[in-house]
Amino acid sequence: DGGITQSPKYLFRKEGQNVTLSCEQNLNHDAMYWYRQDPGQGLRLIYYSQIVNDFQKGDIAEGYSVSREKKESFPLTVTSAQKNPTAFYLCASSGQGFSSGANVLTFGAGSRLTVL
Amino acid sequence: DAKTTQPPSMDCAEGRAANLPCNHSTISGNEYVYWYRQIHSQGPQYIIHGLKNNETNEMASLIITEDRKSSTLILPHATLRDTAVYYCIVRVADDMRFGAGTRLTVKP
Repeated sequence: DGGITQSPKYLFRKEGQNVTLSCEQNLNHDAMYWYRQDPGQGLRLIYYSQIVNDFQKGDIAEGYSVSREKKESFPLTVTSAQKNPTAFYLCASSGQGFSSGANVLTFGAGSRLTVL
Repeated sequence: DAKTTQPPSMDCAEGRAANLPCNHSTISGNEYVYWYRQIHSQGPQYIIHGLKNNETNEMASLIITEDRKSSTLILPHATLRDTAVYYCIVRVADDMRFGAGTRLTVKP
């Protein structure tokens, strides 16, 4: 079945460590997104990529980095510069890149990061 | 910032229609309105989207006002499993920004 796979589902990290969250899609989608969600809050956009080897900062990019070397993969690195990284991280993809047409997002199941 | 405004919470009786409003008064002519829902600790699920006309699918109906400044998501016969946070979003350029959504609680 086509979809988005995020791993790991749960991750624990010590302060000062970088961690990388994986996001893989087999939907042949051009665009991919990373969101952060804090308890009881909505989704905030971290980074998005409309095409391979290109990505843009969202609203809360500081302390995060991404790469888009392959169409199907969009890993997110939470660096030690991120002051409060404990959160639920969601990856999404959509078929429309720069088109002005409809742009339906498909989400992964999420990765929950806890900093100890 | 999100381009939509939604009430933070709503209740609905099981079996009754749930009507969730959304205000998007600054929507542009070619921007779609999308609805998603998120059940606790899961990824959001797409429900429906529309541009100008009302839309219906197996999950819900979307009613968009003629001036496109607001819309209503209708769950015709709400069940307990429809309890979730519902997000109304409007595409902003090439990214998708979510607001806080409406927490719908369906009560028996």
